[in-house]
Amino acid sequence: DQQVKQNSPSLSVQEGRISILNCDYTNSMFDYFLWYKKYPAEGPTFLISISSIKDKNEDGRFTVFLNKSAKHLSLHIVPSQPGDSAVYFCAANSMDSNYQLIWGAGTKLIIKP
Amino acid sequence: DADVTQTPRNRITKTGKRIMLECSQTKGHDRMYWYRQDPGLGLRLIYYSFDVKDINKGEISDGYSVSRQAQAKFSLSLESAIPNQTALYFCATSEVGAIGSTDTQYFGPGTRLTVL
Repeated sequence: DQQVKQNSPSLSVQEGRISILNCDYTNSMFDYFLWYKKYPAEGPTFLISISSIKDKNEDGRFTVFLNKSAKHLSLHIVPSQPGDSAVYFCAANSMDSNYQLIWGAGTKLIIKP
Repeated sequence: DADVTQTPRNRITKTGKRIMLECSQTKGHDRMYWYRQDPGLGLRLIYYSFDVKDINKGEISDGYSVSRQAQAKFSLSLESAIPNQTALYFCATSEVGAIGSTDTQYFGPGTRLTVL
């Protein structure tokens, strides 16, 4: 049973527009949610995180929103740039599981010029 | 130079062979991890180590073993490789986050392993 789900395998967005990547989870005990970005032939790199006690965290062009009642989080990228084309992974962890990261399957974001 | 390195980057082997994947880090982190990634799936944790004397099984440890030779080195072994162990393998490191934050993991570039 997947505890972290990214239901969109891919997303195509026009350069300059907003990209919205979505993630759903089932475990209400998760303490932190993280987004990682992965380019081909490279390992994932950390992008942004949010604590379960918050509903928004912003870092430059990247904002993560957390809706605990819906068990849903989203990553907004504004404005989208060609270098944002990558696979984005949503991950979550909890103190109960020693903060092991549970990962979604990823969403491939394609920014069109 | 990369902070987390993995060798080899690519490996093709045959069923039944013993394979070792190596990971080295210069970040000075105590925590190290081995993951595998399969198409259409997220990363799944194989083993993790919080310090040299601490080794823990992850979600999918069967068929794998690890060795933490030093703070900077963490090796993953497949004692007798089988085709369904064909995957992309990532090593990662982290340090304990500040109170109220989670620790960020830093990944190596990955090893693509094919078992025929």
